[in-house]
Amino acid sequence: GAGVSQTPSNKVTEKGKYVELRCDPISGHTALYWYRQSLGQGPEFLIYFQGTGAADDSGLPNDRFFAVRPEGSVSTLKIQRTERGDSAVYLCASSLSAGAVIDTQYFGPGTRLTVL
Amino acid sequence: QKEVEQNSGPLSVPEGAIASLNCTYSDRGSQSFFWYRQYSGKSPELIMSIYSNGDKEDGRFTAQLNKASQYVSLLIRDSQPSDSATYLCAVPSGTYKYIFGTGTRLKVLA
Repeated sequence: GAGVSQTPSNKVTEKGKYVELRCDPISGHTALYWYRQSLGQGPEFLIYFQGTGAADDSGLPNDRFFAVRPEGSVSTLKIQRTERGDSAVYLCASSLSAGAVIDTQYFGPGTRLTVL
Repeated sequence: QKEVEQNSGPLSVPEGAIASLNCTYSDRGSQSFFWYRQYSGKSPELIMSIYSNGDKEDGRFTAQLNKASQYVSLLIRDSQPSDSATYLCAVPSGTYKYIFGTGTRLKVLA
């Protein structure tokens, strides 16, 4: 596709439920990133994939959060036992390849997650 | 000390004026710097990137970088109401992880 796409655009769930958020990066981009943005804050890094492997998951808040990218393209962010504090906009970004001096990340429209 | 700091604003400027947005960062080893614009309810959109000390101009936008002072700024000339948005400064930590500031909310008054 022309840009990064994310589904769903909005997700409302109840505390304790499991959710999956999907990201489809720009075609040909090998690097994929997940960020979380709370109201009035800048995006906060969660996890980075280079190809199929999670090269850095140091931003995941706890073990309720997990992400996969099995074929090196689409990625799914999974949140178990959701809590109200997980409510935020989850942004996905991709870049041609991480590690280059010039590494521009392009963001998707985000998924707004609301945990009631 | 936060790694990337921005004044949250709002910064209000009249239409046609120059808007000046500032960002300071703590990692002296940072090599590249990015400015993103984010409209309310939308995702960040890249405005400019800068890697070398000095000025870089692109249309009405000028990015200024001073690595010695660990300071990067974005100037918007002839500000328009459509420029009203939050401007995010992003500084890579290492080669891939962006550290964002909280963003500066800009209001251009018609």
